[in-house]
Amino acid sequence: EAGVAQSPRYKIIEKRQSVAFWCNPISGHATLYWYQQILGQGPKLLIQFQNNGVVDDSQLPKDRFSAERLKGVDSTLKIQPAKLEDSAVYLCASSLDPVDALLTGAFFGQGTRLTVV
Amino acid sequence: SQKIEQNSEALNIQEGKTATLTCNYTNYSPAYLQWYRQDPGRGPVFLLLIRENEKEKRKERLKVTFDTTLKQSLFHITASQPADSATYLCALEGTGRRALTFGSGTRLQVQP
Repeated sequence: EAGVAQSPRYKIIEKRQSVAFWCNPISGHATLYWYQQILGQGPKLLIQFQNNGVVDDSQLPKDRFSAERLKGVDSTLKIQPAKLEDSAVYLCASSLDPVDALLTGAFFGQGTRLTVV
Repeated sequence: SQKIEQNSEALNIQEGKTATLTCNYTNYSPAYLQWYRQDPGRGPVFLLLIRENEKEKRKERLKVTFDTTLKQSLFHITASQPADSATYLCALEGTGRRALTFGSGTRLQVQP
């Protein structure tokens, strides 16, 4: 079974530039999550999708971050404009549904390491 | 607000010993608690789940306990090996059955 795919693996941009990350979840997984992991911290949820609908985006800085999952499969997370404090690893995760994530865990991709200079 | 605490200091132990990691939480009563392993440059990998009505769960060399009175979970790795060296994260279901909330993780280093 293929895992969660993310690209790019690494990205370096200057502050105030824009950047986009892509995620393709495990086939059949209806729930998709984007997490931000700052160095030395645990992953922090940014947004949760159920199919193509947003379930929770309460911690997404909406003035600069946006995410979409138009066809309910792959997803894109965008930052515009980027700030220095956005330097982090952006992890995508998926599960069959939210309850399944609680019972059997979520599956994570390798992440995209973003450095803002 | 919900808070999860894990020891931020790295845990260094000798091969063959038992590693014990701690996860404490406040202002919440989760029905589920999970432990994940994260290697450098990789995403977290699910290891174990324990429910609020379970005191202990085992999987091979791993053991997890869940004390809802103390609001604490302990994660044990018996007969530890250098390959067990990684960061271990605990995660709780979010308030209102929301997505997982993670602790900051504890780095384990097993010396040969």
